[in-house]
Amino acid sequence: DAKTTQPPSMDCAEGRAANLPCNHSTISGNEYVYWYRQIHSQGPQYIIHGLKNNETNEMASLIITEDRKSSTLILPHATLRDTAVYYCIVRVALYNFNKFYFGSGTKLNVKP
Amino acid sequence: SQTIHQWPATLVQPVGSPLSLECTVEGTSNPNLYWYRQAAGRGLQLLFYSVGIGQISSEVPQNLSASRPQDRQFILSSKKLLLSDSGFYLCAWSVSRLTGRAAEQYFGPGTRLTVT
Repeated sequence: DAKTTQPPSMDCAEGRAANLPCNHSTISGNEYVYWYRQIHSQGPQYIIHGLKNNETNEMASLIITEDRKSSTLILPHATLRDTAVYYCIVRVALYNFNKFYFGSGTKLNVKP
Repeated sequence: SQTIHQWPATLVQPVGSPLSLECTVEGTSNPNLYWYRQAAGRGLQLLFYSVGIGQISSEVPQNLSASRPQDRQFILSSKKLLLSDSGFYLCAWSVSRLTGRAAEQYFGPGTRLTVT
């Protein structure tokens, strides 16, 4: 019951920007968008999250469309170590609990 | 700082045998705790979550159970393993939503379970 759809895989040249799209057309007004990545056989690593404004941190930028139905994660200068599966997630806030809906993710292949 | 531990890292068990996977969190109190399973090449499926000691919610019917005997300890169990229980099991924690703080999840290193 994932609330997001992502392309299964993408390629990116080393040193170029990687733009990873995500659709979340059924997102509700108080649900956040989170991005995680998972390198093979490790636990997922938090990247960034946002509600409706664009966000930037030391790892990436998150661009959310005005209608909030889609977003894009941008890795400004991809390196070989950025090769991983990237998950776009909707966080639903219940009364005393935050539930995270993981989709199938996008496998990003950064090539030299 | 907070850390999350899982053990064992890998496990090979025969069909019908019992299972116990353990997860502990350090450096925080009253966390929300989660168990996920990841089949090969697939995304993460939420199995159980807990908002406090003894409080367990199950997301999907299955052959597994969870317990939280202490605030920062979360255990995943089975009485009799099935072949379909094979996968990568991940424990995660987040601050309680009631704190009002940002609530990203932090994941442990995972346990790879192979049922033979």
